Amino acid sequence: DTGVSQNPRHKITKRGQNVTFRCDPISEHNRLYWYRQTLGQGPEFLTYFQNEAQLEKSRLLSDRFSAERPKGSFSTLEIQRTEQGDSAMYLCASSLGTGLNQPQHFGDGTRLSIL
Amino acid sequence: SQQGEEDPQALSIQEGENATMNCSYKTSINNLQWYRQNSGRGLVHLILIRSNEREKHSGRLRVTLDTSKKSSSLLITASRAADTASYFCATDAETDSWGKLQFGAGTQVVVTP
Repeated sequence: DTGVSQNPRHKITKRGQNVTFRCDPISEHNRLYWYRQTLGQGPEFLTYFQNEAQLEKSRLLSDRFSAERPKGSFSTLEIQRTEQGDSAMYLCASSLGTGLNQPQHFGDGTRLSIL
Repeated sequence: SQQGEEDPQALSIQEGENATMNCSYKTSINNLQWYRQNSGRGLVHLILIRSNEREKHSGRLRVTLDTSKKSSSLLITASRAADTASYFCATDAETDSWGKLQFGAGTQVVVTP
């Protein structure tokens, strides 16, 4: 169990640029979640994958955001035309998909700063 | 919007003292989970308590759940400097099928030697 891995750890970019983050979940976990966390707040749900299928998207996930999980393994989160308000920590979590009551395992996140 | 609210927002104690924080939530749940977050890091799962459970222990941690009051508490006994972190409660709502979590804003705990 190597844990959930996220890359990069930090991303600094200019407003208007596109950015992509990667998440590698724990290998046997078929559920994968993306959350966004701003300073002083708890994480907010963005989207969820069961294997390769994206089953739920939050209203927070505007058209500029897209997430994929090809082959049901790693996932990517892309933000197009970044805005100042996108500055946040983006967290990925995975869990076993064997029903209810499974804890989620989080990566250390990607901190995005928009200049 | 955030489902849970933690109280207090911040807590400062000395090593060896107990720390108690509370969480209130709004909707029916499958379970409630507590997580710890050190500065700049991801969240670490501490305890999961199911809706039909009332109390759970793990080492120095004790969690209670009162579904009639829609509230939970986390007690850390004999605190250590290493317990300094933010603590979040998260709920898995009964209406959700995918284990999506809704977090509160957290309690920031500082333990001084």
